[in-house]
Amino acid sequence: DTGVSQDPRHKITKRGQNVTFRCDPISEHNRLYWYRQTLGQGPEFLTYFQNEAQLEKSRLLSDRFSAERPKGSFSTLEIQRTEQGDSAMYLCASSLMGALSEKLFFGSGTQLSVL
Amino acid sequence: AQKVTQAQTEISVVEKEDVTLDCVYETRDTTYYLFWYKQPPSGELVFLIRRNSFDEQNEISGRYSWNFQKSTSSFNFTITASQVVDSAVYFCALSENMRAGNNRKLIWGLGTSLAVNP
Repeated sequence: DTGVSQDPRHKITKRGQNVTFRCDPISEHNRLYWYRQTLGQGPEFLTYFQNEAQLEKSRLLSDRFSAERPKGSFSTLEIQRTEQGDSAMYLCASSLMGALSEKLFFGSGTQLSVL
Repeated sequence: AQKVTQAQTEISVVEKEDVTLDCVYETRDTTYYLFWYKQPPSGELVFLIRRNSFDEQNEISGRYSWNFQKSTSSFNFTITASQVVDSAVYFCALSENMRAGNNRKLIWGLGTSLAVNP
């Protein structure tokens, strides 16, 4: 296993379109996170899964955002009716439950540009 | 409120110089964790270190060292004899308790962009 994979690496879309990103975590990791990062900022927490259960969702996340992890393995993040303010790097991370659960392994991210 | 401050936005050094990246945090929690992550130009965040609030012992890993001072709420990171490959954005982060799942989420600083020039 080579780490956390995210697809696509880059996505350019027009305002109002829907987009979906995929994240494949490290196979034995049961925790999966989505973060968003804009230029010059640290990552901003979006949501978190433990196995297939979505346990927390940021208050900053509007109803246009939805994430799933149907079988407790890969996850998808969908943004409906994209807006220019959604342009950012979307990062996925995974970790193992336990003492080092905050040791996150990140993917390379999906860079979204909304025109 | 939980907060992480990295006052240095950008640092530029010449190769082989030592450089210290500052991190100051605020938290209500009595037990917490502090982290440093590296983000090279490729974009992937790389875990460097995790420190428990009860463990104030400084740590050294090769050219990297960390100075945790609970009295000043600081967790500074020093790179000795810097190399061009150290050029990256470095983030300090603080864990915060989540509402569910007995897990914590990370509160991140804005990062310090380090440029090591040959």
